[in-house]
This record gives sequence, C-alpha cells and structure tokens, in this order.
Amino acid sequence: AQKITQTQPGMFVQEKEAVTLDCTYDTSDQSYGLFWYKQPSSGEMIFLIYQGSYDEQNATEGRYSLNFQKARKSANLVISASQLGDSAMYFCAMRVWANQAGTALIFGKGTTLSVSS
Amino acid sequence: DTAVSQTPKYLVTQMGNDKSIKCEQNLGHDTMYWYKQDSKKFLKIMFSYNNKELIINETVPNRFSPKSPDKAHLNLHINSLELGDSAVYFCASSREGRASTDTQYFGPGTRLTVL
Repeated sequence: AQKITQTQPGMFVQEKEAVTLDCTYDTSDQSYGLFWYKQPSSGEMIFLIYQGSYDEQNATEGRYSLNFQKARKSANLVISASQLGDSAMYFCAMRVWANQAGTALIFGKGTTLSVSS
Repeated sequence: DTAVSQTPKYLVTQMGNDKSIKCEQNLGHDTMYWYKQDSKKFLKIMFSYNNKELIINETVPNRFSPKSPDKAHLNLHINSLELGDSAVYFCASSREGRASTDTQYFGPGTRLTVL
C-alpha cells in the first residue's frame, strides 16, 4: 500500500539552527513525486519543495533542501538557519495514481515545528 | 493576484442545510482538486477534475457533489450537512493530472462548521 509516514509529531528548534523533519514513504511505483508543504497557523497550504524519483540530485529551494535517500525510501526536509516564521505544521506528500485517469497527493500526518528565539 | 481562491473562507451552518464552496484558479491549469482536512489535520483527496471531466471520486458520501463549469472553476455542493462534515476544505490545482512531477497549488481553505 502507498503510504507516507511522519514520525515526529512535534519538533523544537532555536532560531538560526538547522532542523530536519523526517518523512518515509512506501510505494511500488518506479516513477513518483515527493512534496513538502507548510501550513502556518493561518491555515493555508504552501508548497515548499519537490523531489522526483528519478532526480539524482537532492532538491534545494533557498533555505529548504530535501535529503532524498531512495534505497531507504526517505525524503527528509532540512531547513537551514531557522526563523521564527518557520513555526508551522509541515506535511510530506507523495503523488500517487488514484485510478487510471489521474493522480492525487497522499499526505503524512504532519510535523509541528516550533522555532524559539 | 491570488492563484487559487476559495469562497467563503468561513462557513457556519446548521445540520441539514445545503451549502456550496466555490474555487477559482488563474494559473491556466487543467486539473483541479478538492481535499478535506479533518480535525486531526489529516488531508485526504475527495475529487479531481481534468478539463471539466471528473477523474477522481474517492469514497465520499453522495451528499457531496462537485461541479466544474469550466477548467478554471470547481465548486463543491454539500447537501444535508452533518456534524461530521465539519472540516477545512481545500481546493487545489495542477498543470495536468497525470504526471508524478506535477505540483499542486492550494487555495486558502474553507473552514466549515456544522452546528
């Protein structure tokens, strides 16, 4: 079965420190996409970063990078130099085939990140 | 300019009522989605339309009926609202609905509270 697992319900970090949010996935597909989204307390879902299963390099977007270890089926999000505004819930997601016609995202349960000064 | 917009942002209503949520995207995408986020923050796909055609219909009560008048709009109508329908409903869109690389962009969400 296709599944996303986020085992850290909450993480705490101080400003300017780096933090890693864990994500493991399960799929038998050869081609898949992995995504991270941020949901601040205001509620919107903000796309952060994408990693394709065939991408050889780890994805990076500014202070966000994705530590992709295909053999371990993990796609951890690394936030460097944390800022107070990074405090939010973070979701790992994977694009899966819902049926023969289309794909959709399946999500992990999320990790709440709290950044303190 | 807002890429994916939803109205209303908040919806409070009584059990048994019928309500609609509207979604519009100005990204030129072909595919739109409805997701439900429950009280534990878990997100699950409900429906997806590709160019006005329903392509994903997950196990959702038939009180929920999506409609896509054109590829930029996707509405969700809910009949006979129940307490368990209380949730945040997110609309999303993507360029097309088949590639694993296709990024979905979400609207701001509609918080539905059924009393």
